[in-house]
Amino acid sequence: KQEVTQIPAALSVPEGENLVLNCSFTDSAIYNLQWFRQDPGKGLTSLLLIQSSQREQTSGRLNASLDKSSGRSTLYIAASQPGDSATYLCAVGSGANSKLTFGKGITLSVRP
Amino acid sequence: DTGVSQDPRHKITKRGQNVTFRCDPISEHNRLYWYRQTLGQGPEFLTYFQNEAQLEKSRLLSDRFSAERPKGSFSTLEIQRTEQGDSAMYLCASRPNLRTGLYETQYFGPGTRLLVL
Repeated sequence: KQEVTQIPAALSVPEGENLVLNCSFTDSAIYNLQWFRQDPGKGLTSLLLIQSSQREQTSGRLNASLDKSSGRSTLYIAASQPGDSATYLCAVGSGANSKLTFGKGITLSVRP
Repeated sequence: DTGVSQDPRHKITKRGQNVTFRCDPISEHNRLYWYRQTLGQGPEFLTYFQNEAQLEKSRLLSDRFSAERPKGSFSTLEIQRTEQGDSAMYLCASRPNLRTGLYETQYFGPGTRLLVL
């Protein structure tokens, strides 16, 4: 059974800092890995998807990497802004139907 | 294309009542997923449709839960005889069938927040 872990559960940083969010998973037989952002009481916004054959993906100030063999992914956020404050969820797509297994998320607070 | 929509956005019900939620996926997305998220947790997979066929159900989906996707378009999730433990956010996601690149991205709706009193 796939298990996804995100540590720490919460993180507070000053504005402008570069930061790394970590995600680990137990089963390396994955189709893809997706990072989401969730604002309080809202649905999920897809940030980046990395296919199993890829090592990283970039979008603006975000860069996500994937190391299947070690069961790890990182989301790098450059020059953090208060608007980046949200919960960031890592999800692994696996199985015949590519259903997602999520971590519990990391709640990020960027202080002005 | 306005994204995945869900209705209602909020539902308060009394224990023992039946509730039904609706999900309208992005048009031409033939894969549809339901997830459930409780406070402080990540979403958990409930069930999956490809077109109108329900191809996978989680063991979380007890016999009080039923999901349909008639004609392969919108989907409904019904909970019968609700219990307080059913209180959660119910999320719907859709994606195209092609397994290449961004087509693998699952797009989520805003969710239906259920509170069972």
